[in-house]
This record gives sequence, C-alpha cells and structure tokens, in this order.
Amino acid sequence: SQQGEEDPQALSIQEGENATMNCSYKTSINNLQWYRQNSGRGLVHLILIRSNEREKHSGRLRVTLDTSKKSSSLLITASRAADTASYFCVPSSGGYQKVTFGTGTKLQVIP
Amino acid sequence: NAGVMQNPRHLVRRRGQEARLRCSPMKGHSHVYWYRQLPEEGLKFMVYLQKENIIDESGMPKERFSAEFPKEGPSILRIQQVVRGDSAAYFCASSPAEDSPLHFGNGTRLTVT
Repeated sequence: SQQGEEDPQALSIQEGENATMNCSYKTSINNLQWYRQNSGRGLVHLILIRSNEREKHSGRLRVTLDTSKKSSSLLITASRAADTASYFCVPSSGGYQKVTFGTGTKLQVIP
Repeated sequence: NAGVMQNPRHLVRRRGQEARLRCSPMKGHSHVYWYRQLPEEGLKFMVYLQKENIIDESGMPKERFSAEFPKEGPSILRIQQVVRGDSAAYFCASSPAEDSPLHFGNGTRLTVT
C-alpha cells in the first residue's frame, strides 16, 4: 500500500470561501479516495475517483485527478463551519483496503 | 442501517492488564479492518479480517496483540499485558466487498496508566 501526502498541512478560511487541498502519491493507482475526520470521530468516506476519471463532483465537493503528475485535488465550495475537519487522501492500487493514512490537511472554517 | 459500532468508547487499563475492543460491522459487511491512531498521527493499518479468517495481519505487533472475527458476534481486538505505548485510538472499519471504500466506527480510546 502507499500513502498519500496532503498539502497544505493546515488551512484556515472564512465561512463561504472555497477550500482547496492537494494530494500527491508515488506509484500508479486504481483509484484515489478522500476521507474526512472530525475531531474525536472516525473517518468518513467522501468520494472515490478512478484512475480513468479526471474529475468528479459530489454536492459541494469537486475532485480532480492527474495521473501523469500523480496528484489529486479536493475543492470544497461555499465552505461551512461544519466542514472543519482533517481531510485525507488515499491512493489505492485496488484489492482489499490495506490503506495507509497520512497526517492530512487540517481545515478550519471560521464562522 | 446502523453504522459501524465500537465499544467501549473509552477504556482505561493499568499496565499488565488485558484490553478487549469490540467492533460490530455494518449489516451486510463481511470485511473488517482495525487501525491505530497515535496523537497527531495518521491511522496505521493493523489487521484485515473476513468472517472467521485473518487475511492480513502485517501491521499488528506479533506479541500481545490478536484479532478475531467469528462467524457470530463482533470482531475483537485483544491486547494482552498492556503497556503505556499501547495508549491510542483504535478504529474499526468495515466494507461490503474487498475493494469497497471503508466505513469507520468512532473508535475506542485506550489509556494505559
């Protein structure tokens, strides 16, 4: 399994603004997933993008994937205080989910 | 449909005691994973189980740690003779199929005094 590297480590924005976080990985993938972790809680799966997809939307979330650069981005539009959490990217080669989580991007949305 | 249920939420043990952490996967999920999270660190894979079988335990220390997922009942992560370094949050996740995204419980926070 490989670990994604999220950037920036921390991000602070005003409510209503957009938040963009990036992810880089090292080897080829089958898909890439984004998860969110609120303080003291378990992770919540947000979105999965496959290696043959370039962009995917889910509500206020937009994910892009550039396999040539081995990178992905997660955009949260019109952020809300409830979006305050840590966000993790998980590159996967397929098969069972022996995934490794990095330290994530800690997003703070200020009301 | 209830989510992944972990209990207890908090567990305090003295050094040398045993800790038993329970995880009930989502209904219909036969794949269970255990992860450990130390303060200010990401989750680290410990073990992957399917019903009655340990598929991959490469992330679990060879001594004192064991996991099971019996045919009936929850998955259990057992830590014998706990030490202070075992203090962490332990998360369980389940999925309906091998390559499906994970559904996490809210974790068990183990404190060893």
